[in-house]
Amino acid sequence: GENVEQHPSTLSVQEGDSAVIKCTYSDSASNYFPWYKQELGKRPQLIIDIRSNVGEKKDQRIAVTLNKTAKHFSLHITETQPEDSAVYFCAASIYSGAGSYQLTFGKGTKLSVIP
Amino acid sequence: DAGITQSPRYKITETGRQVTLMCHQTWSHSYMFWYRQDLGHGLRLIYYSAAADITDKGEVPDGYVVSRSKTENFPLTLESATRSQTSVYFCASSESGFRDQPQHFGDGTRLSIL
Repeated sequence: GENVEQHPSTLSVQEGDSAVIKCTYSDSASNYFPWYKQELGKRPQLIIDIRSNVGEKKDQRIAVTLNKTAKHFSLHITETQPEDSAVYFCAASIYSGAGSYQLTFGKGTKLSVIP
Repeated sequence: DAGITQSPRYKITETGRQVTLMCHQTWSHSYMFWYRQDLGHGLRLIYYSAAADITDKGEVPDGYVVSRSKTENFPLTLESATRSQTSVYFCASSESGFRDQPQHFGDGTRLSIL
């Protein structure tokens, strides 16, 4: 099955600096890669996603890049703010049979933005 | 948003008891999912459902039972709770099972088994 590795597990940055979180996946058939942000005690919320026909996608201060050859994708947050502090999860879609797909999640990165 | 709701938000029970976690969505999404979230493991899929009366196992299904008699509801039952099932449980839904459909999560149920 699919295996998604996420690094680092914790990340501290100064406010205003950039943060990068990296994920690798094992199934070359995966072609949908969402990123979720989870604040303490809250639900995971989709912040950005990318499909395999796209190499990069941006949404304001957040960007995601995908390298299908190397089977890795990354989340980039620029000009970090204290409200960016949260746990971030990457995921990759895998085929689960009968025409449907599941998501396999990385173990998460706890990002702390220091004011 | 209130499109997917879980109940209860918190539950404490004892080993051996049966407990049911409820999930209700108002989007008419075809697919629904149950995950458990434990420190160091991220989110792991327990069961999912492609439509009413269609369910299938995920990564960690042992000790859990699901049903989906109506599209909008997807309850998760622990038939005989064990301490290892103490966790935060999230329900999610997506419009379809196509590979690029995002999943949207409920607020979770924090379950403690004593």
